Amino acid sequence: NAGVTQTPKFRVLKTGQSMTLLCAQDMNHEYMYWYRQDPGMGLRLIHYSVGEGTTAKGEVPDGYNVSRLKKQNFLLGLESAAPSQTSVYFCASLGDKSYEQYFGPGTRLTVT
Amino acid sequence: QKEVEQDPGPLSVPEGAIVSLNCTYSNSAFQYFMWYRQYSRKGPELLMYTYSSGNKEDGRFTAQVDKSSKYISLFIRDSQPSDSATYLCAMSLIIQGAQKLVFGQGTRLTINP
Repeated sequence: NAGVTQTPKFRVLKTGQSMTLLCAQDMNHEYMYWYRQDPGMGLRLIHYSVGEGTTAKGEVPDGYNVSRLKKQNFLLGLESAAPSQTSVYFCASLGDKSYEQYFGPGTRLTVT
Repeated sequence: QKEVEQDPGPLSVPEGAIVSLNCTYSNSAFQYFMWYRQYSRKGPELLMYTYSSGNKEDGRFTAQVDKSSKYISLFIRDSQPSDSATYLCAMSLIIQGAQKLVFGQGTRLTINP
């Protein structure tokens, strides 16, 4: 099992460009999450999904959109990137136990 | 005020030392209390969890929760250089049927050989 994978690993964008980050999990998990991690801020929840076809806003959703068309995939979109979105983005999925989230390796995004 | 507060460090100790990492929280609705470990340029991995006040041991690691004081701790005994990482406390609650985690800022720990 690959667990949780994220594509791409690194990306540099110019202000105003758009991109999509892909998260995939092969554990048949219902719940999936997108976080961003900034120095001194810990991990903050952007959006999450409780199942295929459903999404909900987290703590810092502005400037991002998400889609969960297939159970195994959770996409995070930036329609018009801003320098404030420079961050490391982590995807996670929730296992059968109610407490353990499994994290992907992260995507490092720089917006210039 | 943040829901979860954690001293970001950095913390640097010699090999073999006992390490104490701490978090405080303000939301009484938190159900699970967790510690994640994150190595440099990797995703966080669950290290320990507990849901009740008291101590829980796993090898060299002990997680402690004091719900009355809204305080959790992680102790590492006989610390090793391989323990060098960022440690994140996390608290979970269920909102509208979905688990949400609230993380502390993370403490960067270095164990010096």
